[in-house]
Amino acid sequence: EVQLVESGGALVQPGGSLRLSCAASGFGFSNYWMHWFRQAPGKGPVWVSRISDAGSDTYYADSVKGRFTISRDNAGNTLYLQMNSLRVEDTAMYYCARTLTRGVVDFWGQGTMVTVSS
Amino acid sequence: DIVMTQNTLSSPVTLGQPASISCKSSQSLVHSDGNTYLSWLQQRPGQPPRLLIYKISNRFSGVPDRFSGSGAGTDFTLKISRVEAEDVGVYYCMQATQFPQAGYTFGQGTKLEIK
Repeated sequence: EVQLVESGGALVQPGGSLRLSCAASGFGFSNYWMHWFRQAPGKGPVWVSRISDAGSDTYYADSVKGRFTISRDNAGNTLYLQMNSLRVEDTAMYYCARTLTRGVVDFWGQGTMVTVSS
Repeated sequence: DIVMTQNTLSSPVTLGQPASISCKSSQSLVHSDGNTYLSWLQQRPGQPPRLLIYKISNRFSGVPDRFSGSGAGTDFTLKISRVEAEDVGVYYCMQATQFPQAGYTFGQGTKLEIK
């Protein structure tokens, strides 16, 4: 069974940093491109970042470029999102998700909540 | 940037009746490889999004056959043939054709309520 379990969400002050993790199991993690999405309370999902299966190619939404870094540990089956210079508008539930094939995102984790507030 | 626009269901849907949700994109979603990367996702209250349909009309594993997708170019539709109580939630269309230039973008969501 495919499982994606996010952790690391917390309450943090503006300008602070946080690292999110996503533990993957039930599938060959190293064979799949992975994503981070986020969803602010009462809003729709928004794509944040994507990383290739080997970790060599990364993409970011303009809103997080230069502040967030996606990475992965294929030996440990874990996806990461390092978030720096956090802003109030980064407050959201953060989900990791798997790419089945090009353009198809098939499984999402349960999410971890990040709140940026003073 | 591509803008995805969904309709609003005007009233709760009666159990067992059909429901139709539309999604329009501001640009064609046909990729240079010939595929159209338009998906439909369901989000039940308190749950993460769940993939229902991918590439316009392909039903994902485990999705009941009362869900179907259709459309082409810029206009797409998700149909539920007979609404059930477990279908309550918000439905999103999502495009992935314009990645990486425009990321993956979602419609604003359509809420399905049952009466």
